Amino acid sequence: DTAVSQTPKYLVTQMGNDKSIKCEQNLGHDTMYWYKQDSKKFLKIMFSYNNKELIINETVPNRFSPKSPDKAHLNLHINSLELGDSAVYFCASSPFPEQFFGPGTRLTVL
Amino acid sequence: KNQVEQSPQSLIILEGKNCTLQCNYTVSPFSNLRWYKQDTGRGPVSLTIMTFSENTKSNGRYTATLDADTKQSSLHITASQLSDSASYICVVSGFDGYNKLIFGAGTRLAVHP
Repeated sequence: DTAVSQTPKYLVTQMGNDKSIKCEQNLGHDTMYWYKQDSKKFLKIMFSYNNKELIINETVPNRFSPKSPDKAHLNLHINSLELGDSAVYFCASSPFPEQFFGPGTRLTVL
Repeated sequence: KNQVEQSPQSLIILEGKNCTLQCNYTVSPFSNLRWYKQDTGRGPVSLTIMTFSENTKSNGRYTATLDADTKQSSLHITASQLSDSASYICVVSGFDGYNKLIFGAGTRLAVHP
């Protein structure tokens, strides 16, 4: 009965590879987000979707492409992974102003 | 520039003691302020949300205060427990064409027996 789930929990990959992280929420919320938390623990918003429509797109390299097949899912695809992409990526969903976060995906690029 | 600054960066206290964490922000316009608790290896969990008109809000042993005039907030933890060891993140919501969240760097709290 997990509210916001992410897969995988850990992802280790080589530089230059393409990878995807999946997020699903069963809360019935219209809005979903992707955040990046770097080694200094700052959480920064990357994208937000409302009812499958992109509403926030912060300054993020275009190697990152979110995809929302339906309002319960928001996936993140990353092309040509770089060392600096290593971080923990959190998915969240909300009825504003509340936000419910997933457990995070720790991405390590070697 | 919209910013959220938290202090201290880290804090160690003994079990049973109280502590207060600080948050200063320059976000404008202001919509609401939240405190999150983030356990190691987990996503943040909301503790309190306060709007402009609210001065204080409690959630069990956690009490948050907000002074919208001075743009300061605090989170007071009473009778700390070992399970309070976590990062506490202050998040301020503003409006910049859309509802935007600005996160502080967090205060890392360690409660020792």
